[in-house]
Amino acid sequence: EAQVTQNPRYLITVTGKKLTVTCSQNMNHEYMSWYRQDPGLGLRQIYYSMNVEVTDKGDVPEGYKVSRKEKRNFPLILESPSPNQTSLYFCASSSDGYYEQYFGPGTRLTVT
Amino acid sequence: QKEVEQNSGPLSVPEGAIASLNCTYSDRVSQSFFWYRQYSGKSPELIMSIYSNGDKEDGRFTAQLNKASQYVSLLIRDSQPSDSATYLCAVDASGGSYIPTFGRGTSLIVHP
Repeated sequence: EAQVTQNPRYLITVTGKKLTVTCSQNMNHEYMSWYRQDPGLGLRQIYYSMNVEVTDKGDVPEGYKVSRKEKRNFPLILESPSPNQTSLYFCASSSDGYYEQYFGPGTRLTVT
Repeated sequence: QKEVEQNSGPLSVPEGAIASLNCTYSDRVSQSFFWYRQYSGKSPELIMSIYSNGDKEDGRFTAQLNKASQYVSLLIRDSQPSDSATYLCAVDASGGSYIPTFGRGTSLIVHP
């Protein structure tokens, strides 16, 4: 089954404690991205990757890091989380940045 | 900064009626347009994509695109309570950017 998986699905952590949210896709897609979704603000892109070792900033990259060492994986790293990073996070993949995206199930992060 | 505007709603329609969802976008060079459905707490799911002016039909859904007016719409015929969700309009990455832009979504409520 073609899918995008994310882990963990739910995470409660404290300010400053580094965390990683994993994302994996099995569709051999070149393009992967991370979004956060907040009430009233919609989906905002954090980072995207056009291929292995190629990443670039989206609209809201501050406080986040990513890496793309393998085509199927695109982890999101919060090195020092803060409460304003409490949000619902989605990973997505696409055959191309210009085409439809397939979203993972989401990770609800709470930073206290 | 590209913008995608949607009425936040909620749009309330009776079961069996036609629901009409609208979206305007600011970037004239945009080429690809998408409608995603998102149930509360779930990830966005692609419903329709449209690339050229006119109508595109898929089952009960019809997407309409008017590039001259920078307007894209989604019609849902024979609306069902299971159609109750938030509908996100998305516009492709264009003009050298690989960042697609999402509207904030329209909440649709289909009441029995």
